Amino acid sequence: AQTVTQSQPEMSVQEAETVTLSCTYDTSESDYYLFWYKQPPSRQMILVIRQEAYKQQNATENRFSVNFQKAAKSFSLKISDSQLGDAAMYFCAYRSDNNDMRFGAGTRLTVKP
Amino acid sequence: EAQVTQNPRYLITVTGKKLTVTCSQNMNHEYMSWYRQDPGLGLRQIYYSMNVEVTDKGDVPEGYKVSRKEKRNFPLILESPSPNQTSLYFCASSFRGFSTDTQYFGPGTRLTVL
Repeated sequence: AQTVTQSQPEMSVQEAETVTLSCTYDTSESDYYLFWYKQPPSRQMILVIRQEAYKQQNATENRFSVNFQKAAKSFSLKISDSQLGDAAMYFCAYRSDNNDMRFGAGTRLTVKP
Repeated sequence: EAQVTQNPRYLITVTGKKLTVTCSQNMNHEYMSWYRQDPGLGLRQIYYSMNVEVTDKGDVPEGYKVSRKEKRNFPLILESPSPNQTSLYFCASSFRGFSTDTQYFGPGTRLTVL
């Protein structure tokens, strides 16, 4: 079965600095999508960024970017110019066409003013 | 406004008392899914539905039932809740069940079973 691993239960970053959250996954599929979701204290799940496995170019959304290493099955999230509003739980997720949807255990990000 | 709604948002109940958590989406999505979120485990899929009258088990279906009689609704039923079903539950929907389709999540339902 596919698994998603987030090895950092907690991370902290100084406001305006850059932080990278790690994610690795295991799959035998060739086509799949990877996602990062943000869950603030409101508990709402908010899509931050997504990456198609067949695209070599790393996805970018404003201050959020990913480092996708398909061979290494690694999908890290970089947050630049961190803001207080970035403080949240972040979940890495994997989805394949056979409806296999997997989430990591999450990384709690603290932003220090 | 395009959204996924869940009711109730909070529920405290006792062991064995049947309950239903409703989920509705207004985006004409074919695919709907239920997850539970537990500390240290992330989100785990309970059941999913590819379309009306088509449902299938996810990773943790034991103790849960679902139905999909209408496209917009996908209720989660706990026939005889137990304390180990205390959790945060999310409903989600997407246009279809393909990997290309982004899932939209409801606001979550916090369930406590005493």
